[in-house]
Amino acid sequence: GQQLNQSPQSMFIQEGEDVSMNCTSSSIFNTWLWYKQEPGEGPVLLIALYKAGELTSNGRLTAQFGITRKDSFLNISASIPSDVGIYFCAGHDAGNNRKLIWGLGTSLGVNP
Amino acid sequence: EAQVTQNPRYLITVTGKKLTVTCSQNMNHEYMSWYRQDPGLGLRQIYYSMNVEVTDKGDVPEGYKVSRKEKRNFPLILESPSPNQTSLYFCASSLGGSYTEAFFGQGTRLTVV
Repeated sequence: GQQLNQSPQSMFIQEGEDVSMNCTSSSIFNTWLWYKQEPGEGPVLLIALYKAGELTSNGRLTAQFGITRKDSFLNISASIPSDVGIYFCAGHDAGNNRKLIWGLGTSLGVNP
Repeated sequence: EAQVTQNPRYLITVTGKKLTVTCSQNMNHEYMSWYRQDPGLGLRQIYYSMNVEVTDKGDVPEGYKVSRKEKRNFPLILESPSPNQTSLYFCASSLGGSYTEAFFGQGTRLTVV
């Protein structure tokens, strides 16, 4: 099935640093969603984006829906140890809105 | 509390022994789906349902069955489990089929020996 290109695959940073990750698609998307998964748990929605150019924040997290509608990024500012987890992007392809398309995730480690 | 509940959380079974993983949501969501998660492969959709009695195959439906007799429940059935179905399974629901975020259950870790 179709998949999103999510990068980086993994990253390990120092507490207090800012983090940026992104997702790209080969086709136009109508929604972009960012999830976080902690060990042993299901993915939890962080931010949902529904319009091209939209910039939305959730605490220290900020995500944007790219103008081309083919990409999105997620930034985490001033990282803390509890930010550790796997971050997934997902979205609805404009040509097929019946299911979510997923990235493979970015694994984030934070060194206290 | 709004939630998606899966049972069991952990299951070890033998090859060929039929099993059912239950999923229930209390948000009156129309859309429900099942995913499996494997290392390096991310989340892959198995089946989804857009409403009661409406189900369709996802990306990896082989070896699985589902049913949607009630809006709140969407069980996943493995008629004859095999070791390659050892995985972490998630049920998810969303308000409508399009453009709405999915809420996930806590997962079921299945081991088939």
